[in-house]
Amino acid sequence: KAGVTQTPRYLIKTRGQQVTLSCSPISGHRSVSWYQQTPGQGLQFLFEYFSETQRNKGNFPGRFSGRQFSNSRSEMNVSTLELGDSALYLCASSSQGADYGYTFGSGTRLTVV
Amino acid sequence: DQQVKQNSPSLSVQEGRISILNCDYTNSMFDYFLWYKKYPAEGPTFLISISSIKDKNEDGRFTVFLNKSAKHLSLHIVPSQPGDSAVYFCAAVTPQGGSEKLVFGKGTKLTVNP
Repeated sequence: KAGVTQTPRYLIKTRGQQVTLSCSPISGHRSVSWYQQTPGQGLQFLFEYFSETQRNKGNFPGRFSGRQFSNSRSEMNVSTLELGDSALYLCASSSQGADYGYTFGSGTRLTVV
Repeated sequence: DQQVKQNSPSLSVQEGRISILNCDYTNSMFDYFLWYKKYPAEGPTFLISISSIKDKNEDGRFTVFLNKSAKHLSLHIVPSQPGDSAVYFCAAVTPQGGSEKLVFGKGTKLTVNP
């Protein structure tokens, strides 16, 4: 079956702009989580959506937001971009259950200049 | 405050030898632990996991050990192969009100030399 698809793979934006990243989970997975990976901080949890509702949120400023659609696809938006937002943004989908079967996409590499 | 720590940023071993990657955690509420492997420009790939009710889980060349009293887990790779060269992340699951999230360590870069 198809894996987790993230688009675009690479993105270059200017400070102050906004950006929207997309994630299509594995078919049947209703939970989508977003993570930010930077060299200094590793992978940090942004938020998790389940059935179009945000269930969990990490410690990121309000400039970072997301949503999930009825088909479980999710988008993440970052407004007023800062240089420090340059990172690899990873999306993971999982099925409900105790096996914590998170599958990650290949990520979107965002560079803010 | 970093709840999951991987204190060795890098590790280098010879092909055929054992690789031991370590991970410490501080939150006693973590009930499940996972190891992920990551190549550059790719997302993390699940490797192996262990429940907090166990102390060992084995899958082929990979074994994870959990010492709850020490809040420590380790990943053993035997024998190591050059294709194992990647960044390895330790992650812990923290259940939160019907949801759960992964808390990651900062990763250990493993290099297996031929």
